[in-house]
Amino acid sequence: NAGVTQTPKFRVLKTGQSMTLLCAQDMNHEYMYWYRQDPGMGLRLIHYSVGEGTTAKGEVPDGYNVSRLKKQNFLLGLESAAPSQTSVYFCASSYLDENEQFFGPGTRLTVL
Amino acid sequence: LAKTTQPISMDSYEGQEVNITCSHNNIATNDYITWYQQFPSQGPRFIIQGYKTKVTNEVASLFIPADRKSSTLSLPRVSLSDTAVYYCLVGALAAGNKLTFGGGTRVLVKP
Repeated sequence: NAGVTQTPKFRVLKTGQSMTLLCAQDMNHEYMYWYRQDPGMGLRLIHYSVGEGTTAKGEVPDGYNVSRLKKQNFLLGLESAAPSQTSVYFCASSYLDENEQFFGPGTRLTVL
Repeated sequence: LAKTTQPISMDSYEGQEVNITCSHNNIATNDYITWYQQFPSQGPRFIIQGYKTKVTNEVASLFIPADRKSSTLSLPRVSLSDTAVYYCLVGALAAGNKLTFGGGTRVLVKP
């Protein structure tokens, strides 16, 4: 099993450009999450999903959109990137809310 | 929204026990407490989870007092490979609460 994978691993964008980050899990987990991690800070929840076709806002959702069209995939979109969105993005999944989360390797995004 | 705070860093030596305390004064009734370990350039990895009292697994123990306003991760007999950042996570999405990570504690294990 690959666990949780993220695509791409690195990306550099110019202000105003758009992009989509892909997260895939092969563990048949119901819950999926997108976090961002900034230097010296913990992880902050952007959006999450409790099952196929569902999405919900986390702590810092502004400037991001998500979709969960298939159970195994969770997409994070930036419609108009801003320098403040420079960060490392982690995707995670869990079977249920109270179960341990399995994290992907992260995507390092730089917005110039 | 439970605000979680942790010490920024702590040093230890091989073979010693390391205790990291996370403060979460506003923890909600249904919130659970989870600890993760993170190495550079990797995603966090689950260590242990609890709701109240004490939980122990093969790598760590988690102590939660009756008021649940704090929790302590205990790592017995650390080795150099335990040098990492440790995060506590408090919350319960299914209960309508949020998930809040602490800022992380950087643990440096010295020889």
